[in-house]
Amino acid sequence: DQQVKQNSPSLSVQEGRISILNCDYTNSMFDYFLWYKKYPAEGPTFLISISSIKDKNEDGRFTVFLNKSAKHLSLHIVPSQPGDSAVYFCAASILSEKLVFGKGTKLTVNP
Amino acid sequence: DAGVIQSPRHEVTEMGQEVTLRCKPISGHNSLFWYRQTMMRGLELLIYFNNNVPIDDSGMPEDRFSAKMPNASFSTLKIQPSEPRDSAVYFCASRPTGGNQPQHFGDGTRLSIL
Repeated sequence: DQQVKQNSPSLSVQEGRISILNCDYTNSMFDYFLWYKKYPAEGPTFLISISSIKDKNEDGRFTVFLNKSAKHLSLHIVPSQPGDSAVYFCAASILSEKLVFGKGTKLTVNP
Repeated sequence: DAGVIQSPRHEVTEMGQEVTLRCKPISGHNSLFWYRQTMMRGLELLIYFNNNVPIDDSGMPEDRFSAKMPNASFSTLKIQPSEPRDSAVYFCASRPTGGNQPQHFGDGTRLSIL
C-alpha cells in the first residue's frame, strides 16, 4: 500500500504564477514531512520541511502547509520561475528515521 | 562542503556478475541510507545505518543484496548475483543524528544489468 501519494504526475504553470503541489498520506504516525526537488541525472535535493506540530513553514518563495486532520500537505511556490522546473517529491517519516516517498510530480514552469 | 559521494555513476554489467556500489557520506553525518528508484515503485528505502550499525534492512529485496558500513566514511551495497530486474538508480543519503534533520542525497548510481 502506498502510504504517501502524489496524485498529480505533472503540473504546468506560467512563469510568475503560483505552483501548488499536493501530497496525501495515510499513516497518522508520521510526524515529519519534507519536500525534495530532483533534476535529471541528479539526486533529490532537500527543499523544505515541516514538523507535525506546525501547520505552515515558509522559506523564501517556498511554503509548505500541513493539514493533519485531512492528512494532506502542499507546497506553494510563488512566484514560479523556469528554474523551478523539476520533479518534486513529498516524503514523510516517523521520528525522522525512514523516509517514505511519494512518486513525484513533474513541474514545468513555462516562460 | 562535499556532499554525499557515490561511485560509480553508471554501471553496466551482465547478469550473474557481482556489483558493488559505493558511498561516502557527508562528514559528521551519523546516519546513512540506501534507496532504489524504479519507474514502477518509485524511491524506496533498502537499508539504513546509525553509527555504522544496520538498523533496518526490511527493504532489502532478497538475500542477493547486502550492505556494509565498515567505518563512518564509507558504505557499500553489493548485489551477487545480479539480475536484469535489479536495473535501477541506487541512491545513498546521509544525515546527522538527532532531531528533525533532512537527508542529503548523492547523485546516484545508474545500474543496468543485461
